Amino acid sequence: GQQVMQIPQYQHVQEGEDFTTYCNSSTTLSNIQWYKQRPGGHPVFLIQLVKSGEVKKQKRLTFQFGEAKKNSSLHITATQTTDVGTYFCAGPLRENDMRFGAGTRLTVKP
Amino acid sequence: DGGITQSPKYLFRKEGQNVTLSCEQNLNHDAMYWYRQDPGQGLRLIYYSQIVNDFQKGDIAEGYSVSREKKESFPLTVTSAQKNPTAFYLCASRRPSGANVLTFGAGSRLTVL
Repeated sequence: GQQVMQIPQYQHVQEGEDFTTYCNSSTTLSNIQWYKQRPGGHPVFLIQLVKSGEVKKQKRLTFQFGEAKKNSSLHITATQTTDVGTYFCAGPLRENDMRFGAGTRLTVKP
Repeated sequence: DGGITQSPKYLFRKEGQNVTLSCEQNLNHDAMYWYRQDPGQGLRLIYYSQIVNDFQKGDIAEGYSVSREKKESFPLTVTSAQKNPTAFYLCASRRPSGANVLTFGAGSRLTVL
C-alpha cells in the first residue's frame, strides 16, 4: 500500500543554521500538505502544494513539490527557537484518506 | 469560534475497561478522522468518516470502534481488545471538497494503568 516516508527523524541545529526535512511517497500524490506540531500541542496546517514542481514560501520556510509529485521538502532558513517542533508531511491515499509521514523533530540550540 | 473539541484531555483507564473519547466540531465539515500518536512517532490513522452513518477503517482499526450519528460528532471507543492503548489520540476534520486540509483538536492522552 501507499506509504509516506519522511527523513530525518530528528534534527538538532544551532540557532541560525538551516534545516531541511524530506518527504517521499511510494505513489504519485494529488497534493501534499505540511503540518507543524509544537511540543505538547497538536498538528497545525502550514501549507498545501498541488502542482508538479511547485515552490511556495512563507517567510523563512520554503516548500517544494517534486516534478513527479512523489516527493516534497521543507527548508527553513536561519532557524530560530520558535521553529522548534515536529514537522509532518501528509498526502491522500485516496480522497478523504490522509496519511502522515513519521515526522521530523527539530530542536534548536540558542 | 469554530473548532474541534476533544474530551477528556487526560484519561486513565484500568486494563480490561472500554473508554470513549469525545470529538465534536462546529466547522460544518463532512469528513472526520481519528489518529493515534505514540511518543516520538508520527500519526497513524485509526478510522475516518466521510459522511454521517458511514466510516472506514484506517491502518490500525483493530481494538477501536467509532460511530457517526451526527455530522458534528465522531466518538472513538478504545475497547479492551486494544492491546496497547496508551497513546495520544487526535481527532481532525477536513474542509469541504477543494482542499484536504485537516483541522485538529487538542488531543486526548490516554494512559492505561
